[in-house]
Amino acid sequence: LAKTTQPISMDSYEGQEVNITCSHNNIATNDYITWYQQFPSQGPRFIIQGYKTKVTNEVASLFIPADRKSSTLSLPRVSLSDTAVYYCLVGDAVTGGFKTIFGAGTRLFVKA
Amino acid sequence: DTGVSQNPRHKITKRGQNVTFRCDPISEHNRLYWYRQTLGQGPEFLTYFQNEAQLEKSRLLSDRFSAERPKGSFSTLEIQRTEQGDSAMYLCASSYGTAEQFFGPGTRLTVL
Repeated sequence: LAKTTQPISMDSYEGQEVNITCSHNNIATNDYITWYQQFPSQGPRFIIQGYKTKVTNEVASLFIPADRKSSTLSLPRVSLSDTAVYYCLVGDAVTGGFKTIFGAGTRLFVKA
Repeated sequence: DTGVSQNPRHKITKRGQNVTFRCDPISEHNRLYWYRQTLGQGPEFLTYFQNEAQLEKSRLLSDRFSAERPKGSFSTLEIQRTEQGDSAMYLCASSYGTAEQFFGPGTRLTVL
């Protein structure tokens, strides 16, 4: 499974757009990129998943360049409640045996 | 369906005792995963089931750990002869095939 690298922490203010970039240089052809969010004392929650280009849902956008060696999670107009740990994961979600490898994640602090 | 549930939410035990955790996945999900998470780290994959078959086990799952999913519905994770190093949050997740994983709230184990 491809290893991912993300910033350890980020600070932002309410109302700003936050972009968290993840590096995954060894991503394989069948690998998808998935982001999860985790609040203290809770299990991770799926945010978004993509393979290439751009994916958008009601929560976030995911930008993936053509070489797929990195990806950027974009959170529009963050609020205090977006303070959490964000995990970038890369794995084969197509064939069997998909398992999720979490790194240490990015701790996002949103300030008033 | 209220999502993935785990019981108990907290467990305090003495070193050397056996403990068992239960996970009830989302009813139509055929895959069930167990993870362990220590403070400041992301979840670490332990094992997963497809229906009642245990398909993969991490090297983290020592001989003292055993997981079952007897009827392809709920699952149990047992730790025998607990050690202080077993103190962690134990997370369960479920999915339908290789789709996104939904996590439960976790069971926090403290070994004294």
